[in-house]
Amino acid sequence: DIVMTQSPDSLAVSLGERATINCKSSQNILYSSNNKNYLAWYQHKPGQPPKLLFSWASTRASGVPDRFRATGSGTDFSLTIDSLQAEDVAVYYCQHYYNTPRAFGQGTKVEIK
Amino acid sequence: EVQLVQSGAEVKKPGESLKISCKASGYTFSTYWIGWVRQMPGKGLEWMAIIFPSDSETRYSPSFQGQVTISADKSINTAYLQWSSLKASDTAVYYCARHGTLGATKDAFDVWGRGTVVTVSS
Repeated sequence: DIVMTQSPDSLAVSLGERATINCKSSQNILYSSNNKNYLAWYQHKPGQPPKLLFSWASTRASGVPDRFRATGSGTDFSLTIDSLQAEDVAVYYCQHYYNTPRAFGQGTKVEIK
Repeated sequence: EVQLVQSGAEVKKPGESLKISCKASGYTFSTYWIGWVRQMPGKGLEWMAIIFPSDSETRYSPSFQGQVTISADKSINTAYLQWSSLKASDTAVYYCARHGTLGATKDAFDVWGRGTVVTVSS
């Protein structure tokens, strides 16, 4: 099974500053046949369902502010929030969908410093 | 608007059976994979299983294979997750969610239900 490992487990960032979350897969999740990375990022706020932020490692979902950006390929990925806003406080998850089971990372809790 | 509406909270005793539902609207239910994700208290998200309602093809995580059954009734646009004998460790929030691309077996979940809280306690 592919294991997804996020770092850090939590981080506190001042309003307006940058937050970066890393996600590492235990195996390559880039399909060479279509050059796509089978990775998604989600934002999960308390009392709400998770929300898709990015699919295919860097394709922003509809309505996601452009202060969110996602990069990476192969086994190493990152989610960056430029200029953190109060409404960005949440737990963020990466998830691969390369094969079954499609594991999530353990989550990274983002708070305001 | 694409929506997934889940059934309400359940309180059950160990050993009881349960079937929770997820009703889809706003899209052609049979043509998108739909799945279930568990979140145990204070823990992260766990991918459980997906189903393609058109032909009921399924994929299960080995962690959940044999522990739950996923099904779908395309005549009423509803997916289900069921247990034959609940355990206290099944206490969790269960989310249904839909793949974002028509027919795509491998995809992110773009639309989520609000979750069903299942509490199993004697």
